[in-house]
Amino acid sequence: EAQVTQNPRYLITVTGKKLTVTCSQNMNHEYMSWYRQDPGLGLRQIYYSMNVEVTDKGDVPEGYKVSRKEKRNFPLILESPSPNQTSLYFCASSLKDTRRGLAGGRPPDTQYFGPGTRLTVL
Amino acid sequence: QKEVEQDPGPLSVPEGAIVSLNCTYSNSAFQYFMWYRQYSRKGPELLMYTYSSGNKEDGRFTAQVDKSSKYISLFIRDSQPSDSATYLCAMSAPWGTSGSRLTFGEGTQLTVNP
Repeated sequence: EAQVTQNPRYLITVTGKKLTVTCSQNMNHEYMSWYRQDPGLGLRQIYYSMNVEVTDKGDVPEGYKVSRKEKRNFPLILESPSPNQTSLYFCASSLKDTRRGLAGGRPPDTQYFGPGTRLTVL
Repeated sequence: QKEVEQDPGPLSVPEGAIVSLNCTYSNSAFQYFMWYRQYSRKGPELLMYTYSSGNKEDGRFTAQVDKSSKYISLFIRDSQPSDSATYLCAMSAPWGTSGSRLTFGEGTQLTVNP
């Protein structure tokens, strides 16, 4: 089954304790990204990766790190978590598609989301 | 000012009602317009997609894009309790150096009451 998996699904931790949220996809997608979802703010992109060893900042990268050593995995690292990083986190992947002006079918930007990781930092 | 504005609701309607969900945006470069549906405790999933202006229909769902007004809509006809979810609009410019970067609205929480 084609899917994006995240672990853990729920995590409660304390300020300053390093943690990693894993993300894996089995669809051979080149593009992967991390979002956080907060009430009143919606989904905001943290980091994205166009391919292996190619990562870049999204809209809210402060306090986060990522790595892309393998195509299927894109872990999110919080070196020193703080309470303002309490949020619902989603990993997503999509198949790189350079076509423009599609007449039909799936759009180039179809992103497949994981089930989410609810993180609480005390 | 946010690039994409969406009324967060909550919106509560009786079963069978016609639901209208809307987003406005400010970035003229956006050409791909999507609606994602997110059930409680799940990740968003793509519901509908429209390229540039126009309408697209899929069963009970109709997506409309008016680029001149920078306004997009999702209509749900004959709404069902199973439609209860949060609906997020999302947009992106053509594939470029930033890849499939999507800009999301805040999401509208919809409840359809039996």
